[in-house]
Amino acid sequence: GENVEQHPSTLSVQEGDSAVIKCTYSDSASNYFPWYKQELGKRPQLIIDIRSNVGEKKDQRIAVTLNKTAKHFSLHITETQPEDSAVYFCAACLYNFNKFYFGSGTKLNVKP
Amino acid sequence: DAGVTQSPTHLIKTRGQQVTLRCSPKSGHDTVSWYQQALGQGPQFIFQYYEEEERQRGNFPDRFSGHQFPNYSSELNVNALLLGDSALYLCASSLGGQGFGQPQHFGDGTRLSIL
Repeated sequence: GENVEQHPSTLSVQEGDSAVIKCTYSDSASNYFPWYKQELGKRPQLIIDIRSNVGEKKDQRIAVTLNKTAKHFSLHITETQPEDSAVYFCAACLYNFNKFYFGSGTKLNVKP
Repeated sequence: DAGVTQSPTHLIKTRGQQVTLRCSPKSGHDTVSWYQQALGQGPQFIFQYYEEEERQRGNFPDRFSGHQFPNYSSELNVNALLLGDSALYLCASSLGGQGFGQPQHFGDGTRLSIL
C-alpha cells in the first residue's frame, strides 16, 4: 500500500517568515495530493490540493509543488501569521480508488 | 449549506462493549469515508462507502464495520472494544466516481474513550 512520510514534525517560524513542509509518497499510482490544516480540537480543513498533471498550484499565501519523478510534494506558506499556527497534514490519494493516506502531521508555530 | 455532521461528539465505553457512530455527509455528497485519528497522529483510513456498499477498506480488523443508508448517511460500528480503539473518529464526505481523487470534507469527529 501507499506510505506517506511528512517532515518536519514540528516547525517554529517568526511571523512574516516562510514555512515549508515536505512529504514523500511511495506509490507512483497516487494522483491527488491534498493538504489539510487542523486547529486544536477542530476538524481537518482542506487548504489546497494538487493533481498529478500539475506541477505547482498557488492560492494567495499558500502554494503546493509536486515532483512526480521524485515522488514528493511540498506546502509553502509565505508571510506567515499567528493564525497559521496549527497542525498540517499532507495526504496522497491512490488513483481510481479515492483512498487517502495521510502523513503524520507537522505542528507549525508562528511566533508573533 | 450543512457540512458534515457527526454524532455523538464524545463517548465513553468500557472494554468489550460495542459502539455505533453516525455521520451525515455534506449536502450533495454521496461518498462517506471513516478515519481513526490517534492523538498526535494523522488520520488512518478505515473504509469508504459509496452506493450503500463498502468500496475500499484500510488495515482494520473485522471488528470495524459500517453501513451506508439510501440518504447517504453512514454508521461506523466497532465491536469488542479494546483500549487501543480510543481515538478521534472522523467522517469525511466527497463526490463518488472513479478517476482522480475527490476533495474530502471532514466532520468534527467523535472522541471515543475506552476505559
